[in-house]
Amino acid sequence: ELKVEQNPLFLSMQEGKNYTIYCNYSTTSDRLYWYRQDPGKSLESLFVLLSNGAVKQEGRLMASLDTKARLSTLHITAAVHDLSATYFCAVDKASNYQLIWGAGTKLIIKP
Amino acid sequence: EAGVVQSPRYKIIEKKQPVAFWCNPISGHNTLYWYRQNLGQGPELLIRYENEEAVDDSQLPKDRFSAERLKGVDSTLKIQPAELGDSAVYLCASSLELAARTFFGPGTRLTVL
Repeated sequence: ELKVEQNPLFLSMQEGKNYTIYCNYSTTSDRLYWYRQDPGKSLESLFVLLSNGAVKQEGRLMASLDTKARLSTLHITAAVHDLSATYFCAVDKASNYQLIWGAGTKLIIKP
Repeated sequence: EAGVVQSPRYKIIEKKQPVAFWCNPISGHNTLYWYRQNLGQGPELLIRYENEEAVDDSQLPKDRFSAERLKGVDSTLKIQPAELGDSAVYLCASSLELAARTFFGPGTRLTVL
């Protein structure tokens, strides 16, 4: 059974600091996704990672994938308040395309 | 380009009442999903459509939940009768095709009293 674990589940940090959110999954997966969700809002797709060693960056966010370790990281560089949100990772398999979601990491960035 | 549209945005009903949610996916998107998201959790897939065909409804509680996607465009999700535990946000999402980037609607927040 495919399971996805994120940690930490809650993170409070100061502006300007760097931090990393981790996403572990239990069995071989074909694709890994990162989404952002603001309070009361829907999910916004950030990154899709398809292969081992994939790295994608947008602004202060960088996501990477290590399929051998079954680990993805979302790195935040020089955090700003606008990045405060809940970040979800999700994985699926080509066999059924069903997305399995992590519990989310609630990120609060204090000015 | 318009995103995924859902209505209503909020719904409050008493238990045992029926409720229906409507979704209009992004134009041209063949794949449509209904998810349920409980507070503090990730979304849970209820049903996935490829055009008008429900290809994955294994997580849909079929005793009270039903869905349809007539003509392969708009979709409705119905709960009858609603139970207290159905309180959640119901998200509709669509993608151009399977495994393509998925776009989510704003969701319908259901409160069952």
